[in-house]
Amino acid sequence: DAKTTQPNSMESNEEEPVHLPCNHSTISGTDYIHWYRQLPSQGPEYVIHGLTSNVNNRMASLAIAEDRKSSTLILHRATLRDAAVYYCILRRLTGGGNKLTFGTGTQLKVEL
Amino acid sequence: DAGVTQSPTHLIKTRGQQVTLRCSPKSGHDTVSWYQQALGQGPQFIFQYYEEEERQRGNFPDRFSGHQFPNYSSELNVNALLLGDSALYLCASSLAAGGLFRNEQFFGPGTRLTVL
Repeated sequence: DAKTTQPNSMESNEEEPVHLPCNHSTISGTDYIHWYRQLPSQGPEYVIHGLTSNVNNRMASLAIAEDRKSSTLILHRATLRDAAVYYCILRRLTGGGNKLTFGTGTQLKVEL
Repeated sequence: DAGVTQSPTHLIKTRGQQVTLRCSPKSGHDTVSWYQQALGQGPQFIFQYYEEEERQRGNFPDRFSGHQFPNYSSELNVNALLLGDSALYLCASSLAAGGLFRNEQFFGPGTRLTVL
């Protein structure tokens, strides 16, 4: 599996935008970029995913570099409830399954 | 609509014992995956079940085994427990959609296993 690199931690103030970076320089053409987050004492939850184009949903936006070697998860207005570990994961679409390979992620701290 | 449920929530065992963890997938889902999460680490993939068969397996010894039932629920069994098996065990479900596995996974809250 291609690897991703994320900062260990980031801090943000409430109501401000947050940009969480992810590097994936060895990404292949069939790898989708997925983001999951894990709130304290909970299982991970899906945030967003994309292949080549930028994506938006009710939770966040995903900006993908033109060469696909990096991406950025954007939380438009951080709240205290967004404090979590954010995982950037590459997943190849195959008929064999959809296992997720997690790294250590980015711990996002949100302050008042 | 109930999400992914797991039982028990907490479990304490001693070395050498065996344990069975249970998972019910989100309604409408047919694929179940199991992950192990050690403290301070990201979840590590154990295996995935679809159509009652193990479809993918991570780098875990044969002491870890599983089963999927016709109603899509699943069990994770761990034999000969070691201290290092202490972790949060997460179950995730998804919809295979004709075997293409396109869809995201929904995780349960996990079972916290402590091995003494």
